[in-house]
Amino acid sequence: SQKIEQNSEALNIQEGKTATLTCNYTNYSPAYLQWYRQDPGRGPVFLLLIRENEKEKRKERLKVTFDTTLKQSLFHITASQPADSATYLCALQLEYGNKLVFGAGTILRVKS
Amino acid sequence: EAGVTQFPSHSVIEKGQTVTLRCDPISGHDNLYWYRRVMGKEIKFLLHFVKESKQDESGMPNNRFLAERTGGTYSTLKVQPAELEDSGVYFCASSPPGQGWGNTIYFGEGSWLTVV
Repeated sequence: SQKIEQNSEALNIQEGKTATLTCNYTNYSPAYLQWYRQDPGRGPVFLLLIRENEKEKRKERLKVTFDTTLKQSLFHITASQPADSATYLCALQLEYGNKLVFGAGTILRVKS
Repeated sequence: EAGVTQFPSHSVIEKGQTVTLRCDPISGHDNLYWYRRVMGKEIKFLLHFVKESKQDESGMPNNRFLAERTGGTYSTLKVQPAELEDSGVYFCASSPPGQGWGNTIYFGEGSWLTVV
């Protein structure tokens, strides 16, 4: 069956450390993979997109990797800050159409 | 520039009643999407408009849900009659014109629906 798995447990890290979030998928062939941030009571906010033929993408303190052989994406936040605390969602954009398939999300808590 | 706006932000209705949710996409965005998250589940796709046409409605759960986008501007999602399992948050999103892969998709804050 098709599924997307993100870290089921909340990730608690100390300010200044690097947070690494995982997104694994099964029986999908995404053309693109996107990461979103969601704060409580708010809508998802787009962060980064990576294409199937890209290995790595960076934006400021954010880095995404995409391994289509392992069917995995890693999302890194370097020099994390308490303001980075939120739920991070992985979403697959499939080959046909703009429909997104979301994972359940990982809660990140950065403690000062 | 205004983002995607949704109305109402919260709604509590009784089972069997009708609710209409409205979405105003970002100006100029031809693509409009509806998603929803029910309790404890992932955000799931409902449907996709390109201008006024339904491009993909594969996620619509049943015929109690009706989405429209007359004139290709704002969209409404009507649930009639509402059932308890329809409770959740309904997100609208939009993206710029074109079917190019990897369009940035902008989400609204959601309409929280509670059916009692």
